[in-house]
Amino acid sequence: DAGITQSPRYKITETGRQVTLMCHQTWSHSYMFWYRQDLGHGLRLIYYSAAADITDKGEVPDGYVVSRSKTENFPLTLESATRSQTSVYFCATHRGGNTGELFFGEGSRLTVL
Amino acid sequence: QKEVEQDPGPLSVPEGAIVSLNCTYSNSAFQYFMWYRQYSRKGPELLMYTYSSGNKEDGRFTAQVDKSSKYISLFIRDSQPSDSATYLCAMNNQGGKLIFGQGTELSVKP
Repeated sequence: DAGITQSPRYKITETGRQVTLMCHQTWSHSYMFWYRQDLGHGLRLIYYSAAADITDKGEVPDGYVVSRSKTENFPLTLESATRSQTSVYFCATHRGGNTGELFFGEGSRLTVL
Repeated sequence: QKEVEQDPGPLSVPEGAIVSLNCTYSNSAFQYFMWYRQYSRKGPELLMYTYSSGNKEDGRFTAQVDKSSKYISLFIRDSQPSDSATYLCAMNNQGGKLIFGQGTELSVKP
């Protein structure tokens, strides 16, 4: 009954390394999103997906890659991590329709040294 | 200029106070207005949702939307220490992506 889970919750890595943040949902919601949250910027959309195999860029996509081969999973990959990607990353789902209700995971706190 | 502006605070009030949180926006196409609450080290959760202009009340919480002024507010009556959290406004147009404000950090002191 977890709904939406993110892993890892905490990650420390070094500049230049590849990092993948995982997101899994049990609701079968069509839409999934990745946000980053930084002080002074609020939540900024990185990528989103309307369905399996359909992804699109958000406000800050540079340096990130996503895929969605299955409805329930939406991994976010930092191909070569940079210090500016130190942030808290939130995955969210939306079941569709006009309202904007998003269901968020607990977040993944990433530090790039 | 950001599409949605929110005073980041922090805001500190005594228990029992009335709290007013506000956001302004620039996109007149926005129709759906939301307030999310985020506790420390947790993900945001939807608190209030309003369509178009008007007021909506839910217990101690009241959301107001004034589309003519492009201004939305969240009022918390009889604030409690458990209300201490970051409050984020969010809005979109029909089918559009949700745009968030920066969030206001609220602390309610016993």
